[in-house]
Amino acid sequence: SAVISQKPSRDICQRGTSLTIQCQVDSQVTMMFWYRQQPGQSLTLIATANQGSEATYESGFVIDKFPISRPNLTFSTLTVSNMSPEDSSIYLCSVEKGTGSYEQYFGPGTRLTVT
Amino acid sequence: GDSVTQMEGPVTLSEEAFLTINCTYTATGYPSLFWYVQYPGEGLQLLLKATKADDKGSNKGFEATYRKETTSFHLEKGSVQVSDSAVYFCALSGGGQYVNDYKLSFGAGTTVTVRA
Repeated sequence: SAVISQKPSRDICQRGTSLTIQCQVDSQVTMMFWYRQQPGQSLTLIATANQGSEATYESGFVIDKFPISRPNLTFSTLTVSNMSPEDSSIYLCSVEKGTGSYEQYFGPGTRLTVT
Repeated sequence: GDSVTQMEGPVTLSEEAFLTINCTYTATGYPSLFWYVQYPGEGLQLLLKATKADDKGSNKGFEATYRKETTSFHLEKGSVQVSDSAVYFCALSGGGQYVNDYKLSFGAGTTVTVRA
């Protein structure tokens, strides 16, 4: 299984500012995903980030608001831009197991509070 | 698109009670089905999975059977413990038009509380 770490684990930010969340994996993976979990809600996919290509965003999410980088096979960042209180959520990265199993491993999440 | 409908709860049980959480899905293809669990203060982890019809996934006393005819993947445990208190998510992947559709679609989550 893959071990995934995220930084920061939590943060409190002022509205209008931006926060970059880092996701580090202990092995090389092709597919990485970024999810949002709003308070008391389920997980919603923001985008799929494959190394060497532009991130693919889901409906309702745009690159200007959630720019993503994927510089190599073990690392990705998600930036939450121009934050508002509605962006207060847990942000999780995940990786596909890599065997075509459709199984994903999740990072511990970043708890973001926007005031 | 693909979607998952899950019994929302919350569910409160006594120890040693039987637990069932219903999950049904909609997909155009043949998805893999998963149950993920989120214990208090912890990250999301895979509980069990099934990749084709009639497969039974099992782990930690939990079971779920992939029923294509009823498009269901209900989670069951015969005797719950306090340590099973968590949020349970049903999810699917790979059920879209394209076989390389790896993104996960999650149900709403069911909060389960087991009382001693």
